[in-house]
Amino acid sequence: GDSVTQMEGPVTLSEEAFLTINCTYTATGYPSLFWYVQYPGEGLQLLLKATKADDKGSNKGFEATYRKETTSFHLEKGSVQVSDSAVYFCALTGANNLFFGTGTRLTVIP
Amino acid sequence: DTAVSQTPKYLVTQMGNDKSIKCEQNLGHDTMYWYKQDSKKFLKIMFSYNNKELIINETVPNRFSPKSPDKAHLNLHINSLELGDSAVYFCASSLILRSGNTIYFGEGSWLTVV
Repeated sequence: GDSVTQMEGPVTLSEEAFLTINCTYTATGYPSLFWYVQYPGEGLQLLLKATKADDKGSNKGFEATYRKETTSFHLEKGSVQVSDSAVYFCALTGANNLFFGTGTRLTVIP
Repeated sequence: DTAVSQTPKYLVTQMGNDKSIKCEQNLGHDTMYWYKQDSKKFLKIMFSYNNKELIINETVPNRFSPKSPDKAHLNLHINSLELGDSAVYFCASSLILRSGNTIYFGEGSWLTVV
């Protein structure tokens, strides 16, 4: 079945460091891929998405590229800020459902 | 204007009680969902409705009963609450789910059973 495997955290970085959170997927057909973010005490917000192979989603300095050959959708940011501290979820659309990874907690320290 | 709104945001209740969480979306979406997030932040779908019809019903105790009076509302009723029901419950909505459509989430309802 469809599934998402996400890099386990927690991840702790200093401000302005480079961020990569790995995400790989297993799916039949051609799913869309998403990154959602959950800030402390809040709900889930869509961060970015990509709907087909080689698409790059980007938002707020974050980027992820849909790589069909490696079945990956890694999240990157060149310079993280303290305000990026949150839990990040990789997800894909399956039949009538959105399958989530286990989430990666990011803490950015000044 | 909140696109997906759910109430209450916080709920503390005793074991054995019955409680409901309400959800409304003003996005004109066809499909609504309930997700449960456990203490380890793991997200799992519970139910999905499309145009008021149940299309996903995961392995959830039958103490949990969703009700969709119209396609803009999907309420969750929980009978005989247990300690293990403590979690964050997220309502969400989307257009019919196919490639490219995004699921939008409410802010969550933090349920604590004592």
